[in-house]
Amino acid sequence: KNEVEQSPQNLTAQEGEFITINCSYSVGISALHWLQQHPGGGIVSLFMLSSGKKKHGRLIATINIQEKHSSLHITASHPRDSAVYICAAETSGSRLTFGEGTQLTVNP
Amino acid sequence: NAGVMQNPRHLVRRRGQEARLRCSPMKGHSHVYWYRQLPEEGLKFMVYLQKENIIDESGMPKERFSAEFPKEGPSILRIQQVVRGDSAAYFCASSTLGHRANYGYTFGSGTRLTVV
Repeated sequence: KNEVEQSPQNLTAQEGEFITINCSYSVGISALHWLQQHPGGGIVSLFMLSSGKKKHGRLIATINIQEKHSSLHITASHPRDSAVYICAAETSGSRLTFGEGTQLTVNP
Repeated sequence: NAGVMQNPRHLVRRRGQEARLRCSPMKGHSHVYWYRQLPEEGLKFMVYLQKENIIDESGMPKERFSAEFPKEGPSILRIQQVVRGDSAAYFCASSTLGHRANYGYTFGSGTRLTVV
C-alpha cells in the first residue's frame, strides 16, 4: 500500500462543475502539499497545509489531521484547469512522498 | 526574479554515457531537492542538498548516481554509465525554510532524459 493514496485516478468533468480530489496518507507529516502538473510537464505548487483550510481563487484545500485526509476542490471548473493534480506528504527532513496523481479533464 | 532553472530541458544519451543535469535554484534559496518521474509513474524523492552538504540521499540509487550543490554555481545531478531504465523526467525544486513555510516548494520545468 502506498503511503499517499489519491482518488480518483482519472476525472472528467463539464465546464462549471464542482470538482473534488481526495488524498489519504498513512505517514506522520509536517505538511501536506497539493501540486499541479501541466500537460507540458511543469509543476506548480498550489497549496501547503498543516491544518484547516486554504483558498486561492477557485481552488480550496482542506486537511483533517486526525483522519489523515486532505481534499482539493475546484469551483466553477474550466478547461484550463485540465492537468494532473498531485498530493504530497512532507515528512521530517523536508522529504516529499507523492501520490500517483489525478488526471483531470474539463470539457467545454 | 527567475524561478528555478533547469537545463537542459531535453537530453539524449547513448547507453554507457554520462548525463549531467543542472539546477539553479531561485535567488536566495539554499535548499535544493531532486525528484525523478519515471514514465507512467509518480514522482519519487531522490536527494536533498544544502550548499556544500548532502542532507538526505536516501532516495538515490546506490550506484552511478551522485549529486552536489557547490558553494558557487548550480546543483548537479550526475548519472554515470546511463542505462535505458534511467530514462525519466528529473525535477529540481528549491526553497528556504521561511519560503517553504509560506509558499511551499518552487519547481523547475524538469529535464527529460532519454537513453537510447
